[in-house]
Amino acid sequence: AQSVTQLDSQVPVFEEAPVELRCNYSSSVSVYLFWYVQYPNQGLQLLLKYLSGSTLVESINGFEAEFNKSQTSFHLRKPSVHISDTAEYFCAVSELRDYKLSFGAGTTVTVRA
Amino acid sequence: DTGVSQDPRHKITKRGQNVTFRCDPISEHNRLYWYRQTLGQGPEFLTYFQNEAQLEKSRLLSDRFSAERPKGSFSTLEIQRTEQGDSAMYLCAISLFDRNIQYFGAGTRLSVL
Repeated sequence: AQSVTQLDSQVPVFEEAPVELRCNYSSSVSVYLFWYVQYPNQGLQLLLKYLSGSTLVESINGFEAEFNKSQTSFHLRKPSVHISDTAEYFCAVSELRDYKLSFGAGTTVTVRA
Repeated sequence: DTGVSQDPRHKITKRGQNVTFRCDPISEHNRLYWYRQTLGQGPEFLTYFQNEAQLEKSRLLSDRFSAERPKGSFSTLEIQRTEQGDSAMYLCAISLFDRNIQYFGAGTRLSVL
């Protein structure tokens, strides 16, 4: 069975500064990897995904994540954050041919002016 | 628009009462999932359907929980004899065919008093 560890529960950051959210997973088979964002009292929104191909994936709002198979990591980065990026971010994994997602405990990002 | 509508958004009930939540997929899909998210944690998988068939249930889904999906369209999640530990956000998600990319609804927040 797969599992996900998000190494930081809280990340405070100033506006226009870079941010990195760390995610490590464990699995004995090939996986799909995802980052979701959750704003207060809302459901999860898909931010980006790794299914196959290039190990660097990007979202439309400036986030990127890199799949590192040897380190079993899928860290999320943004070079310059905005106030509107304040939210909770969840890393998730699913094994090929297994349809359920396993989530990390989440990282709360608070962006200050 | 996430492609999934959930009703109600909030439910307050007394311990011992039965509650039912509904999930209505809007977008094209063939799999439907239920997750539970407690405060400060990532979502945990409960069950999933492929068309009308319920194909997997987590051990988190005790005998008091039942999920149905008549006719392969909307789905309901019922909790009988609610307990305070059932207080959580219940999330519904859908995915399309062979791609395990899941899209979530806004969730139903249950508070058991």
